[in-house]
Amino acid sequence: QKEVEQNSGPLSVPEGAIASLNCTYSDRVSQSFFWYRQYSGKSPELIMSIYSNGDKEDGRFTAQLNKASQYVSLLIRDSQPSDSATYLCAVTSRAGKLIFGQGTTLQVKP
Amino acid sequence: NAGVMQNPRHLVRRRGQEARLRCSPMKGHSHVYWYRQLPEEGLKFMVYLQKENIIDESGMPKERFSAEFPKEGPSILRIQQVVRGDSAAYFCASSPPSPADTQYFGPGTRLTVL
Repeated sequence: QKEVEQNSGPLSVPEGAIASLNCTYSDRVSQSFFWYRQYSGKSPELIMSIYSNGDKEDGRFTAQLNKASQYVSLLIRDSQPSDSATYLCAVTSRAGKLIFGQGTTLQVKP
Repeated sequence: NAGVMQNPRHLVRRRGQEARLRCSPMKGHSHVYWYRQLPEEGLKFMVYLQKENIIDESGMPKERFSAEFPKEGPSILRIQQVVRGDSAAYFCASSPPSPADTQYFGPGTRLTVL
């Protein structure tokens, strides 16, 4: 079992729709959770961090965390073609070591 | 406020040569991390350093790879006697003292071994 699992996609949504990206993790003591966006050939860019159960909203992005189910998700509202990228879920159980999922490729079609 | 800086951005080496990758953290950041991304694979943690200390090197290959973060100057990831399998993108990230786990990535160094 992988430590952090994501569906590789591609996830295809029409422009203006809600994109839902999911991630599960195996280590129950994980404490910090992150979503990064990576455009092809570029470096990861931090979008959201979440530390406690529930929802956290930032503009068009909402991160959701459920520690009991070991599940974290990212919702992107009003998806734009510029949101097309690979979204990486990352988890850390102790400071320093981020464990990444394989990433989900999102395609937003005009 | 400059972000994480890495150089060179692209590096070409022949098998058996040495590769030195440099990383300067964001201003005010005291923690540096190195990750490797092989083609079509995910990001893998390599090492976590603070000034003059290696905190966690659990992701570093046992041979040929070393890292340092001296009191003065950038952090350096050194790969000796490179092989074709070392071809990858190497990313450096830095984080502030608190929260220490919020990491910001540099642009990366693309290493190609011929």
